[in-house]
Amino acid sequence: QQQVKQSPQSLIVQKGGIPIINCAYENTAFDYFPWYQQFPGKGPALLIAIRPDVSEKKEGRFTISFNKSAKQFSLHIMDSQPGDSATYFCAAVVSGSARQLTFGSGTQLTVLP
Amino acid sequence: EAEVAQSPRYKITEKSQAVAFWCDPISGHATLYWYRQILGQGPELLVQFQDESVVDDSQLPKDRFSAERLKGVDSTLKIQPAELGDSAMYLCASSHLGGPDQETQYFGPGTRLLVL
Repeated sequence: QQQVKQSPQSLIVQKGGIPIINCAYENTAFDYFPWYQQFPGKGPALLIAIRPDVSEKKEGRFTISFNKSAKQFSLHIMDSQPGDSATYFCAAVVSGSARQLTFGSGTQLTVLP
Repeated sequence: EAEVAQSPRYKITEKSQAVAFWCDPISGHATLYWYRQILGQGPELLVQFQDESVVDDSQLPKDRFSAERLKGVDSTLKIQPAELGDSAMYLCASSHLGGPDQETQYFGPGTRLLVL
């Protein structure tokens, strides 16, 4: 059962473009939504995260938009660079003591120079 | 900067053989996770430890997989016997228990397993 659905599977943009990656969830018990970035041969690394009490969070060139009523959230990368080429995973955490991550299926982003 | 260490980085084995992976979490992190990541998919949790105790191993195929964290520090994940479908990246992650950073999981570089 895929609890967090992510799209698109892959994305190619030109340098300076604004790639957008979308995620949707069903479980309303999720209360923390991180995005992870993974380069080939490396483990995922936390990029940015949001809680459902805010609609937007911005850190540098990365912005999360969150729509609680639609149970959707998205990652925007402003002024994308070739170094942003990586696989991006959205995730969600259920409130409670376990704090386990449920990952989306990933989006492979390629930023062309 | 402290990092999660994993070894080996790559492992090739034949089916029915036993394999073991090792993880050393960031010092002071009480919570340790093992994930399996199949190529082209997101990581899936196999087992979660808090100190030396298992918090959740509901997704661990216990007929062939085992995990331990005897002293509450480093951890070992074992597969015996390995099957072709076990070919994947095995990731270890750790996090603080409590505090403002408790929801951030720090991942190691992973062990890529190929079962022939």
